[in-house]
Amino acid sequence: QVQLQESGPGLLKPSDTLSLTCAVSNDSISSNYWWGWIRQPPGKGLEWLGYIHYSGSTYYNPSLKSRVTMSIDTPKNQFSLKLTSVTAVDTAVYYCARKPAGTGQFDPWGQGALVTVSS
Amino acid sequence: EIVLTQSPGTLSLSPGERATLSCRASQSVSSNYLAWYQQKPGQAPRLLIYGASSRATGIPDRFSGSGSGTDFTLTINRLEPEDFAVYYCQQYGSSPPITFGPGTKVDIK
Repeated sequence: QVQLQESGPGLLKPSDTLSLTCAVSNDSISSNYWWGWIRQPPGKGLEWLGYIHYSGSTYYNPSLKSRVTMSIDTPKNQFSLKLTSVTAVDTAVYYCARKPAGTGQFDPWGQGALVTVSS
Repeated sequence: EIVLTQSPGTLSLSPGERATLSCRASQSVSSNYLAWYQQKPGQAPRLLIYGASSRATGIPDRFSGSGSGTDFTLTINRLEPEDFAVYYCQQYGSSPPITFGPGTKVDIK
């Protein structure tokens, strides 16, 4: 079945840019899905960051829109997240997940990548 | 933005009992785009229910979802030891498109 795997630096300094990649296996990133990012601060709830379609269309959470950029690398079958000017409040586990077009749910999810922002 | 409120915050039950979790939306959720997830410590959320009442692939039939408009319920019949976890509801459709509820923790009494 389809699997997603996040990767990227686990420790950043304030003002750095967070960069994460999600590798997709057993499915084509060019299939009719949206590919999304959700984060979860330690001990807290889930926050949707945005999602991207292979066509390049994107939707971002307005609360982060000015800092978020998502992209797709079709040959590598992966998609990426960039979050600029990070602070301690951006410390979280970052999940990537798949959302079928025309539906609202995410399934499956990657295992998550902890990103800590600390000076 | 549609705000989702989940109640109770914590539900303490014994194995074999029924759990009833509530998710209330501040506005009507379009086309019943309401999903439920289960999350265990150290794990990613797992989709249980989508479209308010459809079970995801591989989800046991003791899990059921119901509701429409602004009021939704997740019911877990005959709690198994592996069902003790945190449950989140999530809606899709309004602006911003995706919001999650704060979660309900089901723990062992």
